[in-house]
Amino acid sequence: KNEVEQSPQNLTAQEGEFITINCSYSVGISALHWLQQHPGGGIVSLFMLSSGKKKHGRLIATINIQEKHSSLHITASHPRDSAVYICAVGGSQGNLIFGKGTKLSVKP
Amino acid sequence: GVSQNPRHKITKRGQNVTFRCDPISEHNRLYWYRQTLGQGPEFLIYFQGTGAADDSGLPNDRFFAVRPEGSVSTLTIQRTQQEDSAVYLCASSRQTRGFSPLHFGNGTRLTVT
Repeated sequence: KNEVEQSPQNLTAQEGEFITINCSYSVGISALHWLQQHPGGGIVSLFMLSSGKKKHGRLIATINIQEKHSSLHITASHPRDSAVYICAVGGSQGNLIFGKGTKLSVKP
Repeated sequence: GVSQNPRHKITKRGQNVTFRCDPISEHNRLYWYRQTLGQGPEFLIYFQGTGAADDSGLPNDRFFAVRPEGSVSTLTIQRTQQEDSAVYLCASSRQTRGFSPLHFGNGTRLTVT
């Protein structure tokens, strides 16, 4: 079993829809990252959180430490949101363990 | 941002390759990851300053990385094999207590023929 599991693996949505991507992990962590990877490989850090909730524009990330679960929400989705979204968890030693990613496609 | 070169490298099996990563200048931590198609990045090694704080992800002794002056890092793969074909990603972050956001380079795509 992978230490970081994301669901769904693939997601297709219509423009304007509310989107949720889930991440569950089985290891103790110090922080959880949500990353966005566009075709061509560039990875951008969206959020880093260790508790509660963070919001940036149309993106919201939440984490429940007790349940070892995090969600990334996108409100009013747009075709430019199409990308792979990756959850990564970090332990106290500095290493990060990555999920396999969720491929999101938003259709106009 | 974080700069990696070359962007692409095609090499024949058995050759050595070296990749370079220039992190953001004030970033103390530097990470190397490997990503194959359809998978998330896989940890290889991370540096705190000049020293390798964790090299547990290096798959075998053909892989090694250095960061001699605490800034630029190189990753070398000796006697390349076809299974080494992947995108090699570098990332850097500030050293703080715990974690700070990662900044990734665009990666080096290695193809071993």
